Amino acid sequence: QQQVKQSPQSLIVQKGGISIINCAYENTAFDYFPWYQQFPGKGPALLIAIRPDVSEKKEGRFTISFNKSAKQFSLHIMDSQPGDSATYFCAASMEGSSNTGKLIFGQGTTLQVKP
Amino acid sequence: DGGITQSPKYLFRKEGQNVTLSCEQNLNHDAMYWYRQDPGQGLRLIYYSQIVNDFQKGDIAEGYSVSREKKESFPLTVTSAQKNPTAFYLCASSINGGTEAFFGQGTRLTVV
Repeated sequence: QQQVKQSPQSLIVQKGGISIINCAYENTAFDYFPWYQQFPGKGPALLIAIRPDVSEKKEGRFTISFNKSAKQFSLHIMDSQPGDSATYFCAASMEGSSNTGKLIFGQGTTLQVKP
Repeated sequence: DGGITQSPKYLFRKEGQNVTLSCEQNLNHDAMYWYRQDPGQGLRLIYYSQIVNDFQKGDIAEGYSVSREKKESFPLTVTSAQKNPTAFYLCASSINGGTEAFFGQGTRLTVV
């Protein structure tokens, strides 16, 4: 019940295309869903995050879509660029007084954007 | 600049030896975490600490130990009991009760 399942494992997109990565969770107590971007040999960095009170959040070319009833959320990268080539992780966590800040990560998606 | 510093970047260890990975932060964060990253498996939590002198086991704590004597520091020791220690280790911190985690650049440990 603590798992977050992420797909696909790898993704190849042409420059200018849309990249879509999906995640699903089971624990309905999760209430914070971030996406992290990681370049080779580096630590992950927060890209964008959403809470369940909204169904969509957009920051520049990056959009999170959230479906609370289906317990799914996805990352859309519009107008994908070669510089977006990286590994993307979805994650889930719980806020509130008992929050420890622990993040449960998906397995990761390696995105390659071809020029 | 504020951030998280992990050292060394690369570490080689002989089988049977303990090794300690360093993690220092100057973000004034209360909470610190250690994650292990293996190809295709995402990040898995080893240990976390929400306050000085206190820490909790994560999902894969066996073969690891930590200490939290100072707010800024959270070293991880990989002991000889860890059967498969070769991995990329990531340290992170967050404001206690908050959820945004900031990561260091990682230490790649290789057992030779």
